[in-house]
Amino acid sequence: GDSVTQMEGPVTLSEEAFLTINCTYTATGYPSLFWYVQYPGEGLQLLLKATKADDKGSNKGFEATYRKETTSFHLEKGSVQVSDSAVYFCALWGGADGLTFGKGTHLIIQP
Amino acid sequence: GAVVSQHPSWVICKSGTSVKIECRSLDFQATTMFWYRQFPKQSLMLMATSNEGSKATYEQGVEKDKFLINHASLTLSTLTVTSAHPEDSSFYICSAKSNDRSWGYTFGSGTRLTVV
Repeated sequence: GDSVTQMEGPVTLSEEAFLTINCTYTATGYPSLFWYVQYPGEGLQLLLKATKADDKGSNKGFEATYRKETTSFHLEKGSVQVSDSAVYFCALWGGADGLTFGKGTHLIIQP
Repeated sequence: GAVVSQHPSWVICKSGTSVKIECRSLDFQATTMFWYRQFPKQSLMLMATSNEGSKATYEQGVEKDKFLINHASLTLSTLTVTSAHPEDSSFYICSAKSNDRSWGYTFGSGTRLTVV
């Protein structure tokens, strides 16, 4: 079945540091890929998505590129802020209803 | 934008009692709703898919008699954990999908259930 693997956290960075959160997936066919973010006390929010190979999703300074050859969708941001502290989930949609999620990565940004 | 309201945000109940969690789509009609469960440090696992006016489809390993799902209207789905036990303690989160949105997976804020 489909699965998503993302790096375990917590990931602790200083403000303005470069961020990478790795995500790899296993799926049949050509899934769509997502990054969701969950800020403290809030629900999941779609951060960005990519629906086909080589697509780059971007939002709020974050970006991720759909790499079919490496089955990856790593999340990056050039300069993180304290307000980026949250839990980030990588997910895929394989064509059936419902999403398959990774375990989530807790990101902590220190001033 | 699309908003999904989930209540309660947290609940503590005694073993053997039942707990109902509500998920409402506030500004759109949700033809399909999903219920997920997350154990500590684990992925969100899809429990069931419900379509308005029909029976829910449960994922393998999820007890349908224990986790009752009702999707009686286009804006409301409920999950009832019946005869709750401590092992049911978890984080439950709903997601609604609208036919009007290509990627209408809008999530509720989740419910932290603790069974004592």
